[in-house]
Amino acid sequence: QQQVKQSPQSLIVQKGGISIINCAYENTAFDYFPWYQQFPGKGPALLIAIRPDVSEKKEGRFTISFNKSAKQFSLHIMDSQPGDSATYFCAAVTTSGTYKYIFGTGTRLKVLA
Amino acid sequence: DTEVTQTPKHLVMGMTNKKSLKCEQHMGHRAMYWYKQKAKKPPELMFVYSYEKLSINESVPSRFSPECPNSSLLNLHLHALQPEDSALYLCASSPGIPPMYEQYFGPGTRLTVT
Repeated sequence: QQQVKQSPQSLIVQKGGISIINCAYENTAFDYFPWYQQFPGKGPALLIAIRPDVSEKKEGRFTISFNKSAKQFSLHIMDSQPGDSATYFCAAVTTSGTYKYIFGTGTRLKVLA
Repeated sequence: DTEVTQTPKHLVMGMTNKKSLKCEQHMGHRAMYWYKQKAKKPPELMFVYSYEKLSINESVPSRFSPECPNSSLLNLHLHALQPEDSALYLCASSPGIPPMYEQYFGPGTRLTVT
């Protein structure tokens, strides 16, 4: 019940295309959902985050869509660029009760020039 | 300064060695974290320090011993590790708990246990 399922495992997108990564969770206690970007040899960096009282959040080319009833959320990268090639992790966090910060399994994105 | 620094960048140690990893931040953050990340896997939370006190230990074996000497510094002492402990060890910090605050990650220490 503490897992966060992320798909796809890997993704190849043409430059200018839309990259879509999906995550699903089971524990309704999760109430904060960040997305991280990790380049090889670097630590993860927060891209964008959402709370369940909002269905969509957009920051630049990055958008999170959140479906509370389905317990799913997704990251959309618009106008994908080769510099976006990295591993992306979703995460689910509980901010009350037992503290849990659970990362998804990761998606390796490659954007072709 | 919006950086979390970690030293060393790489560490190779034998199973009988004792070594330490160091993490430092000067952003005034009051929560600091240790994560372990295996290749092609997500980070796994090991420890959380909040206001210099250990608040979470995710059932980590005692061969890993964290220490928070002050609000800017976090150490991870290693002793009698196993080869399966080889991984990237990430340190992170955030302004505080609750964790709706962003976690700032360091670049990690690549640990190899021989």
